[in-house]
Amino acid sequence: DAGVIQSPRHEVTEMGQEVTLRCKPISGHDYLFWYRQTMMRGLELLIYFNNNVPIDDSGMPEDRFSAKMPNASFSTLKIQPSEPRDSAVYFCASSLQGGTGHGYTFGSGTRLTVV
Amino acid sequence: GIQVEQSPPDLILQEGANSTLRCNFSDSVNNLQWFHQNPWGQLINLFYIPSGTKQNGRLSATTVATERYSLLYISSSQTTDSGVYFCAVPTYSWSGTYKYIFGTGTRLKVLA
Repeated sequence: DAGVIQSPRHEVTEMGQEVTLRCKPISGHDYLFWYRQTMMRGLELLIYFNNNVPIDDSGMPEDRFSAKMPNASFSTLKIQPSEPRDSAVYFCASSLQGGTGHGYTFGSGTRLTVV
Repeated sequence: GIQVEQSPPDLILQEGANSTLRCNFSDSVNNLQWFHQNPWGQLINLFYIPSGTKQNGRLSATTVATERYSLLYISSSQTTDSGVYFCAVPTYSWSGTYKYIFGTGTRLKVLA
């Protein structure tokens, strides 16, 4: 298994531009999670999906952030317009059998820099 | 909601030393994970350990769910053990779905 695949690995963009981060979960996993990591706030859960349906988006910082999961093998996190304070590492994770499964597998992350 | 605390926040070891990292949680849980974030930022799943003890090479973990803590033991530490260690526990919604809550981590530096 190739694991959780995120793209791009690095993204540098100018303030005001739209940014789209992508994630391919492990095949067969029924949960997908988007996290943001910064030095100040640590690992923050932004949103998670179960069977492609958004369950909890209470961690999404504001309306500039949106996430979709059109099918079981693909999810996107979009920031529009981007701001310098959005600079962070964004992780995607997937898991199987919510609650009693074998836990998370994380992707390698996307390091976003907004200048 | 459930609170997850880790100690110590920072730890410096000489190569070859042993260490114990602790994770306390405020409510009963039915599973727990330990992760290692290496200096390159990758988050690696070390253990899925709802209870009891597991070992993997120089690392082992013990969870005592009834007393709401877990311990991660690192023996004969190596410089490659450096990084941040996180524990995470699940919290459940009314619909039965879950998400993991992460502790703030223990930052470990192993000196050669």
